[in-house]
Amino acid sequence: SQELEQSPQSLIVQEGKNLTINCTSSKTLYGLYWYKQKYGEGLIFLMMLQKGGEEKSHEKITAKLDEKKQQSSLHITASQPSHAGIYLCGAPGGSNYKLTFGKGTLLTVNP
Amino acid sequence: NAGVTQTPKFRILKIGQSMTLQCTQDMNHNYMYWYRQDPGMGLKLIYYSVGAGITDKGEVPNGYNVSRSTTEDFPLRLELAAPSQTSVYFCASRVGGSTDTQYFGPGTRLTVL
Repeated sequence: SQELEQSPQSLIVQEGKNLTINCTSSKTLYGLYWYKQKYGEGLIFLMMLQKGGEEKSHEKITAKLDEKKQQSSLHITASQPSHAGIYLCGAPGGSNYKLTFGKGTLLTVNP
Repeated sequence: NAGVTQTPKFRILKIGQSMTLQCTQDMNHNYMYWYRQDPGMGLKLIYYSVGAGITDKGEVPNGYNVSRSTTEDFPLRLELAAPSQTSVYFCASRVGGSTDTQYFGPGTRLTVL
C-alpha cells in the first residue's frame, strides 16, 4: 500500500519568513492533494497536482509535484499568522476511489 | 451549497453505548468517505462508498458500520462504543474522476468514557 511521509513533522517560523513542507511517497505519485486544517476544524482544500513537474500557486502558497522523485513540496512565501495550522498531503492509492494521507505538518507562525 | 455537513459537532459517550454520526452532502457526489483523525496519526479511512447502495471497508472498519441509501447521506454507526474510538471523525465527498476535489465536513469530536 502507498505511504506518504511528510517532513518536517512540525515547524515554527517567524512571521515574514519563507518555509517549505515536503511530502514523499513510497510509490509513484499519479496525483497529489494539499489540504490545510486549523485546530478543531475540517480540512480545507488548497490545490491538486497531477502531472510530473507541475506547479501551482495560490496567493503566497506554491506547490510542486516532482514525479520522478515521488515527492511534492509546499512552499509559503513571507509567512503570516494566518498560515498557521496543519498541512496534509493526500494521494490516490492503488484504487482511485481512496486517498492516502500523510500524518501532517504542524506550522506555527510567530508574529 | 452547504457542502458536506456533519452532526453532531461534539459528543460524549459512555462505554457500551451506541450512536450514529450523520453526514450529508448536497453536491451530488458519488463518492463519500468516513475518516478518523487521532493526534499525530493523520487520517485513517474507516469506510467509503462509491454510490448509493454500495459501501466498502477502509483501513480501520472494526467497531463501525455504514449505510448509503441515498446519494446525499452516509451515516456512520458506532456499536458498543469503546475508549479506543475516542477521536475526531470526518466525512468527505468527491465527484470521482481524475480531476476532482475531495471536500471535507467540519468533523465530529467524540469522547468515549
